[in-house]
Amino acid sequence: EIVLTQSPATLSLSPGERATLSCRASQSVSSYLAWYQQKPGQAPRLLIYDASNRATGIPARFSGSGSGTDFTLTISSLEPEDFAVYYCQQRSNWSYTFGQGTKLEIK
Amino acid sequence: EVQLVESGGGLVQPGRSLRLSCAASGFTFDDYAMHWVRQAPGKGLEWVSGISWNSGSTGYADSVKGRFTISRDNAKNSLYLQMNSLRAEDTALYYCAKENGGNSFDYWGQGTLVTVSS
Repeated sequence: EIVLTQSPATLSLSPGERATLSCRASQSVSSYLAWYQQKPGQAPRLLIYDASNRATGIPARFSGSGSGTDFTLTISSLEPEDFAVYYCQQRSNWSYTFGQGTKLEIK
Repeated sequence: EVQLVESGGGLVQPGRSLRLSCAASGFTFDDYAMHWVRQAPGKGLEWVSGISWNSGSTGYADSVKGRFTISRDNAKNSLYLQMNSLRAEDTALYYCAKENGGNSFDYWGQGTLVTVSS
């Protein structure tokens, strides 16, 4: 099973700042890496798929990069509604795994 | 508008069974693979199981293999999860999720809560 490790576990930033979240895979996942945002009491929302493609309706301040084993989600300028938990996810054949999450909190 | 509505959750004793359902609408159901993802209280996301558009392929997390069975009825636009031999560690909110034709999940339901306790 491919393990995804996200860092940091918690990120404390202020609105307007840039956020950089990391996801590292235990082996190559090519570009099959997605990012989700989850707010309390809500289902996850797809942000980025296939490492760098924004999902429908996702603002341009969200961007994804990387391939192989190292991936990054960048939020260029934080809005108040961006403070949430973020998960990465990979697919390898019929095995899907999520990272443990990064909590983005207001500083 | 895509909608996924789960049902069937509840309180069940360890060792018993439960069947979850997911009613889909707003898209061509039999064009897409579908999945179940769960989230234990206060924890992260865990993929549980997935099924291809025509039920020809299925996959399971190691934690549920041999106990859970995923199925679908394309005529009814419905996804199911039969859960047998339930354990306390299966307690979670179970989400139904649509695969986006690639490698991720673009639509999610609001979840149905399964609590396994005596």
